[in-house]
Amino acid sequence: GQNIDQPTEMTATEGAIVQINCTYQTSGFNGLFWYQQHAGEAPTFLSYNVLDGLEEKGRFSSFLSRSKGYSYLLLKELQMKDSASYLCAVKGSWGKLQFGAGTQVVVTP
Amino acid sequence: NAGVTQTPKFRVLKTGQSMTLLCAQDMNHEYMYWYRQDPGMGLRLIHYSVGEGTTAKGEVPDGYNVSRLKKQNFLLGLESAAPSQTSVYFCASRGLAGTQDTQYFGPGTRLTVL
Repeated sequence: GQNIDQPTEMTATEGAIVQINCTYQTSGFNGLFWYQQHAGEAPTFLSYNVLDGLEEKGRFSSFLSRSKGYSYLLLKELQMKDSASYLCAVKGSWGKLQFGAGTQVVVTP
Repeated sequence: NAGVTQTPKFRVLKTGQSMTLLCAQDMNHEYMYWYRQDPGMGLRLIHYSVGEGTTAKGEVPDGYNVSRLKKQNFLLGLESAAPSQTSVYFCASRGLAGTQDTQYFGPGTRLTVL
């Protein structure tokens, strides 16, 4: 079957680092996306991995291992505005995205 | 450049009523998608379109119909609304490969069916 798993919630302190893991088992794989979604708003694009390895974008980095069906999103120097839900999504045929349920990150002062 | 827009933003329906949600994009994207988002379940694909005049079923298509008569618009219809269709509906669009490969989402439509 098809499955995308990520933790439900994570809490971290302002200035700290948080790593959100995502494991997937899907019938097709053409890349993996991470989106950020603040409450009541639309998802916004954070990163895209299609090859194995680490992609770095400022305070955010994303890693992919296709052989292990595993990705993580690393958020560094956490800020209060990073409190949001983070969505892992696998890209299949025709660009269709299959999403995990999302990880709610709570940043505390 | 407005990106992806959705109308309406909010709607309350009674069971059995019908309505149409409109998604419009001004990025000349080929692909468009309709998702629903429910608590604890993530976004699920309802229908999608790979070009003007074409549509296809996604993961949860039952109870919905779609049309893509113009490239910039993708309509989602509910013929006879049911309480199980209470959800937040997001439209997304995507260009061809390369830098346009990302899906860009509209602001969402919050639908309640009583």
